[in-house]
Amino acid sequence: EAGVTQSPTHLIKTRGQQATLRCSPISGHTSVYWYQQALGLGLQFLLWYDEGEERNRGNFPPRFSGRQFPNYSSELNVNALELEDSALYLCAPSSRGPGELFFGEGSRLTVL
Amino acid sequence: AQTVTQSQPEMSVQEAETVTLSCTYDTSESDYYLFWYKQPPSRQMILVIRQEAYKQQNATENRFSVNFQKAAKSFSLKISDSQLGDAAMYFCAYRSGWNQFYFGTGTSLTVIP
Repeated sequence: EAGVTQSPTHLIKTRGQQATLRCSPISGHTSVYWYQQALGLGLQFLLWYDEGEERNRGNFPPRFSGRQFPNYSSELNVNALELEDSALYLCAPSSRGPGELFFGEGSRLTVL
Repeated sequence: AQTVTQSQPEMSVQEAETVTLSCTYDTSESDYYLFWYKQPPSRQMILVIRQEAYKQQNATENRFSVNFQKAAKSFSLKISDSQLGDAAMYFCAYRSGWNQFYFGTGTSLTVIP
């Protein structure tokens, strides 16, 4: 069974640019959660998609957005990048029901 | 909203010894799930152990076990016979009945050879 795949693994952008991060889940996992993890810190909840719909979002500005595709892959978009957006972005799909999250290796975003 | 508290930012343990990481949570739900995740340095976060709130029996996975005290809303992780590979950041997580996850701030575990 293939694991969760995130791309790109590393991304360097300058302030004001836009970044797109992608996540391919494990087969059968219809929900996906996105988290931001700043260096040395915990996980901050960004977005939750289930069956193509946004179910909840964390306390982040609207320039953080995303979507989930019919094949349950997902992407996270960050517009108007700011220096403090530099972080590891983790995608974590989950199956329907009371399952755990399966994390990808993350995308490291650096904003210069 | 539910909150998850890990009161130990850092812990250390001698190799082969036992260490317990603490986690408490606040909830009004009766049906939920609890998890411990491990994040080694620069590596992928993986599930260590899970506990269903309706189960009274504490979960065990090899050297990892939990002490789940539902009334006290406590969910500690015990690592027995600690190994160098156990060094990592450990996160306690709560999954609500609405499928929302809440994470603690993490405990950094150092294993001393």
